[in-house]
Amino acid sequence: DSGVTQTPKHLITATGQRVTLRCSPRSGDLSVYWYQQSLDQGLQFLIQYYNGEERAKGNILERFSAQQFPDLHSELNLSSLELGDSALYFCASSAPDRADLNYGYTFGSGTRLTVV
Amino acid sequence: GQNIDQPTEMTATEGAIVQINCTYQTSGFNGLFWYQQHAGEAPTFLSYNVLDGLEEKGRFSSFLSRSKGYSYLLLKELQMKDSASYLCAAASGGSYIPTFGRGTSLIVHP
Repeated sequence: DSGVTQTPKHLITATGQRVTLRCSPRSGDLSVYWYQQSLDQGLQFLIQYYNGEERAKGNILERFSAQQFPDLHSELNLSSLELGDSALYFCASSAPDRADLNYGYTFGSGTRLTVV
Repeated sequence: GQNIDQPTEMTATEGAIVQINCTYQTSGFNGLFWYQQHAGEAPTFLSYNVLDGLEEKGRFSSFLSRSKGYSYLLLKELQMKDSASYLCAAASGGSYIPTFGRGTSLIVHP
């Protein structure tokens, strides 16, 4: 157990629908990062939140949005789903001190989204 | 933008040594990460290099040359459980968010 909790582990939904993925960071970590991993694209950075505020954006589609709550858990909302959105979605967290980068970013076990 | 290149696939024999190379092109370099990922599982952190040189952690070592935009991961005394994808990732700019390469799939055979 990495300490980063993601739910649900698996999700199957139809095109056009909306889903919410949830992530609880490791205790003490203030930053949450969302990544998408598909077979042909590798791990793609979507968005980062730090202590409740959006800090950085990557290749996140307008149909996707995220937020981080006061208790530091984060949710990734995916709407108007398309077949191409089928992927593994990972959440990672990191400590607030950059010196802790020597311990890396800790990933959750991911949510496997299948859009049919 | 950033560009990270690593071989798609490598094979090696149990007990041997393998070196996985990674080249990167990025501005404002902030460090180079290596992660291991077994199929369908979360990436797990192996190493972070920000200064030139070799860092050793047990059977795994990581090397960085900032001037050459080059890193490698060295795995010694290979075990079957080392069969996995190895992801190289570079952090750059004002953030330390790693941009990942597509990964190198390592197959260890008896």
